[in-house]
Amino acid sequence: NAGVTQTPKFQVLKTGQSMTLQCAQDMNHNSMYWYRQDPGMGLRLIYYSASEGTTDKGEVPNGYNVSRLNKREFSLRLESAAPSQTSVYFCASSESGGFSGNTIYFGEGSWLTVV
Amino acid sequence: GENVEQHPSTLSVQEGDSAVIKCTYSDSASNYFPWYKQELGKRPQLIIDIRSNVGEKKDQRIAVTLNKTAKHFSLHITETQPEDSAVYFCAASPTKLIFGTGTRLQVFP
Repeated sequence: NAGVTQTPKFQVLKTGQSMTLQCAQDMNHNSMYWYRQDPGMGLRLIYYSASEGTTDKGEVPNGYNVSRLNKREFSLRLESAAPSQTSVYFCASSESGGFSGNTIYFGEGSWLTVV
Repeated sequence: GENVEQHPSTLSVQEGDSAVIKCTYSDSASNYFPWYKQELGKRPQLIIDIRSNVGEKKDQRIAVTLNKTAKHFSLHITETQPEDSAVYFCAASPTKLIFGTGTRLQVFP
């Protein structure tokens, strides 16, 4: 059981480039999330998918798009990267019910630098 | 929307002492309050959580208390050890899980 796996672990982008962060979970969870973590800001929700086929905006969705490809996979896309998107990105999943009290499990994180 | 404030931002204690981290939330509809621990360069991991129908929960050296009237909840770590050194995040959930800004705990031997 790998849990939540995300790739790549490290990436450097030039301003204006695009890229997709991939995430997969093998726990048969219904809900998946993308967070970003910046120093002094805690973890902020970018987008989430309460169940397969649905996606919703979180606290900081601007500049991002997501795709819930199937139950296992939830990708995050930066269409035109900006230096303000330099951050650590965490994918996460939970059993069901969005945020109704199910434990959220995080991936190992993706360190993204935009120059 | 929900707003979660966490204090202090840094906390240094001597090994064996207790540590207390406090959080306040704004949305009275919040009903789930987890605490996550994040070691340097690692992923956040759940250490304890509490639901709104409970006032206190304990798990060995850690405990969480919840005061719904005052809209605050706290993490208590007793008999701290160097391996407790990490960043701790509180969170509150009405419909979306909103995190506090974190507390860096350092336990000195």
